Amino acid sequence: EAGVAQSPRYKIIEKRQSVAFWCNPISGHATLYWYQQILGQGPKLLIQFQNNGVVDDSQLPKDRFSAERLKGVDSTLKIQPAKLEDSAVYLCASSLSGGTGFYEQYFGPGTRLTVT
Amino acid sequence: AQTVTQSQPEMSVQEAETVTLSCTYDTSESDYYLFWYKQPPSRQMILVIRQEAYKQQNATENRFSVNFQKAAKSFSLKISDSQLGDAAMYFCASYNAGNMLTFGGGTRLMVKP
Repeated sequence: EAGVAQSPRYKIIEKRQSVAFWCNPISGHATLYWYQQILGQGPKLLIQFQNNGVVDDSQLPKDRFSAERLKGVDSTLKIQPAKLEDSAVYLCASSLSGGTGFYEQYFGPGTRLTVT
Repeated sequence: AQTVTQSQPEMSVQEAETVTLSCTYDTSESDYYLFWYKQPPSRQMILVIRQEAYKQQNATENRFSVNFQKAAKSFSLKISDSQLGDAAMYFCASYNAGNMLTFGGGTRLMVKP
């Protein structure tokens, strides 16, 4: 079974530029998550999708971050314009469902963003 | 809101020895799960072990076991017979209804040959 795929693996941009990350979840997984992991910290949830609808985006800085999951499969996360404090690893994860009970989240390898 | 605290930024263990990583949490939920995740230098997060809050018996997965103290809101991970491949960042996490994971700050485990 293929895992969660993310691209690119690394990205370096200057502040005020824009950047986009792509995630392809495990086939059949209805729920998709984007996390931000700043160096030395644990991942922080940015947004959670159930199919193509947003379940939780309370910690997404909506003035500069946006995310979409068209057709309920692949997802993109965009930052525009980027700030220095956006330097982090952006992790994508997916699970079978986001309802009650436990559904293991499977993580992708992440995209390391450096903003200079 | 849930919070997860890992008070040990770094730990070191000799190969074949046992090490315990600490974690405390706070939640207002009555139904929750607790996890330990491993993140090797390649960054792919892997689930190591999980504990359902309603279960009194501590979870065990091969060389990995937990000490779950519900009243104290403590959830430590014990790694027995440590191996070089155990070296990684370890994150404690809590999970509530709605599939929300809250992570601690992590503990870097170094394994000395």
